[in-house]
Amino acid sequence: NAGVTQTPKFRILKIGQSMTLQCTQDMNHNYMYWYRQDPGMGLKLIYYSVGAGITDKGEVPNGYNVSRSTTEDFPLRLELAAPSQTSVYFCASSRPGQGSPEAFFGQGTRLTVV
Amino acid sequence: GENVEQHPSTLSVQEGDSAVIKCTYSDSASNYFPWYKQELGKGPQLIIDIRSNVGEKKDQRIAVTLNKTAKHFSLHITETQPEDSAVYFCASKEPGNTPLVFGKGTRLSVIA
Repeated sequence: NAGVTQTPKFRILKIGQSMTLQCTQDMNHNYMYWYRQDPGMGLKLIYYSVGAGITDKGEVPNGYNVSRSTTEDFPLRLELAAPSQTSVYFCASSRPGQGSPEAFFGQGTRLTVV
Repeated sequence: GENVEQHPSTLSVQEGDSAVIKCTYSDSASNYFPWYKQELGKGPQLIIDIRSNVGEKKDQRIAVTLNKTAKHFSLHITETQPEDSAVYFCASKEPGNTPLVFGKGTRLSVIA
């Protein structure tokens, strides 16, 4: 099992550019999450999804968009990148309804906006 | 919504000593409490978890205790080793279609 796979691992964006961070999981988990982690700080929830076609805002959704057309994929879109979006982004998945609420994380995408 | 407070933010211990990290949560309905370890340059990884119907759980050198009345839970690491050095996060989850809510993390340094 690959688990949770994020691409790319690193990216440098110029202010105003757009990009999509990809996340896919092969564990048939219905829940998926996007977190950002600023240097020396904790994890802040951006968006989450409890199943295909359903998404909800987290603590810091401004400047981001998500979609969940399949169980496996949960891409995060950044429109008009800003320096404040420089961070490490983590995708995670879980399956709480099946007695397995633990979240599995990807390895992260380190994004720098210059 | 749920709020999780984690203390301390940094912790240094001598190799072989014990380390304790504490978290409090706000929603008495929360029923799942995991702990994650994040090594440098990696994503967080689950190390132990506890559910609200259990007061304590152990796995070799690590243990988690839960006090539902006080809404506290703690991570205990005994006989610490240099490889225990990492950032540790606690989290809690309310029932239903809700996400995990994380504490701000504790940077543990084990000094050889």
